Amino acid sequence: GAVVSQHPSWVICKSGTSVKIECRSLDFQATTMFWYRQFPKQSLMLMATSNEGSKATYEQGVEKDKFLINHASLTLSTLTVTSAHPEDSSFYICSAWEEGANYGYTFGSGTRLTVV
Amino acid sequence: AQSVTQLGSHVSVSEGALVLLRCNYSSSVPPYLFWYVQYPNQGLQLLLKYTSAATLVKGINGFEAEFKKSETSFHLTKPSAHMSDAAEYFCAVSDGGATNKLIFGTGTLLAVQP
Repeated sequence: GAVVSQHPSWVICKSGTSVKIECRSLDFQATTMFWYRQFPKQSLMLMATSNEGSKATYEQGVEKDKFLINHASLTLSTLTVTSAHPEDSSFYICSAWEEGANYGYTFGSGTRLTVV
Repeated sequence: AQSVTQLGSHVSVSEGALVLLRCNYSSSVPPYLFWYVQYPNQGLQLLLKYTSAATLVKGINGFEAEFKKSETSFHLTKPSAHMSDAAEYFCAVSDGGATNKLIFGTGTLLAVQP
């Protein structure tokens, strides 16, 4: 089945630094990828939709300058949290959309970001 | 806009008992509906999806869900709960349109008592 690899699985960084999270579709091409944020014991909140070769579409209230998304190829999307602060600490999950007969959304294993 | 409502943020059942997790959706177009399971500190695993080919959808691990258009529901069931079923369950809806966004319900935490 479809596999999405997300790295790193956890990261600790200092306030003011930037962190990059990678999301790769391993066995299919994903023209569309999605980035979610999940707070403890809460649901997944869609942050942005990433389309290969074009600018990401951000949901209302999500700071595009803080959460930089790049989708340079059909198998890779990256989320960079810039100038991270403790309030950015969260669980970030990516998802890739697969078209065709096996259509559906495949999720990465998530990244636990802790900003100290 | 699409949305889903999951009734019951916490559900507790005894091992071997019926599992019923409720999901109601709102959509202006025929929806794509999904159920996912999440274990602590992990990503989401697809249990099943509604494809419009059949109203009763069978998924992995013995789960199934029935699409009822008249009730705008897509409840998840399993005849006999196992301890390993204890996890967070999310219902999600997509319009499959240009944005293809997948919108999640608030989730239901399933506890299985021995």
